[in-house]
Amino acid sequence: GAVVSQHPSRVICKSGTSVKIECRSLDFQATTMFWYRQFPKQSLMLMATSNEGSKATYEQGVEKDKFLINHASLTLSTLTVTSAHPEDSSFYICSARDPGSGGSYNEQFFGPGTRLTVL
Amino acid sequence: GNSVTQMEGPVTLSEEAFLTINCTYTATGYPSLFWYVQYPGEGLQLLLKATKADDKGSNKGFEATYRKETTSFHLEKGSVQVSDSAVYFCALSDHGGANNLFFGTGTRLTVIP
Repeated sequence: GAVVSQHPSRVICKSGTSVKIECRSLDFQATTMFWYRQFPKQSLMLMATSNEGSKATYEQGVEKDKFLINHASLTLSTLTVTSAHPEDSSFYICSARDPGSGGSYNEQFFGPGTRLTVL
Repeated sequence: GNSVTQMEGPVTLSEEAFLTINCTYTATGYPSLFWYVQYPGEGLQLLLKATKADDKGSNKGFEATYRKETTSFHLEKGSVQVSDSAVYFCALSDHGGANNLFFGTGTRLTVIP
């Protein structure tokens, strides 16, 4: 199946700094990528939908100036957490939709996630 | 709106036991339904899916049937193995063109030898 990677897998930063997380589709071109946030014992919450070459669409309640998303190529999307605070500590997961997966549903392939800890 | 409710875990079973993880949904249209599995340290993987009422998705001995009348998509396996230990997520995808996924809270399954 299609592979999506994320980097880094784990990051610890100081409060007030910015952190960039990369999401790559390794063997397919993804016109659409998604960013999720997962809290302990809770579901994945969609943060934003990223389309290559255009601005990301953010879900209600997600601060677009705090969570900057760039989808500069068909294989790379980045999420930058700006001026991070302890409450931003979470597990961030990306997914990429493979337009070649066919049918009415284009399957999303998920990255392994990035654990962010803000001190 | 769209939402998914699945049984809370954790679930602990002995090897070869029967597994059921309940999942119910609410949706504004005619969603597709999915079960994803997340093994330790890995990303979510699609386990099975069903795109219309009465469809049965199956994979690796797991199966789930799309029940429109009860708005359910319960996951079952007749005989679990230690290697099935993971977190299982029920999800739906709307058909409004976005194909966005709405997830349940996940159920952690531990299978003991």
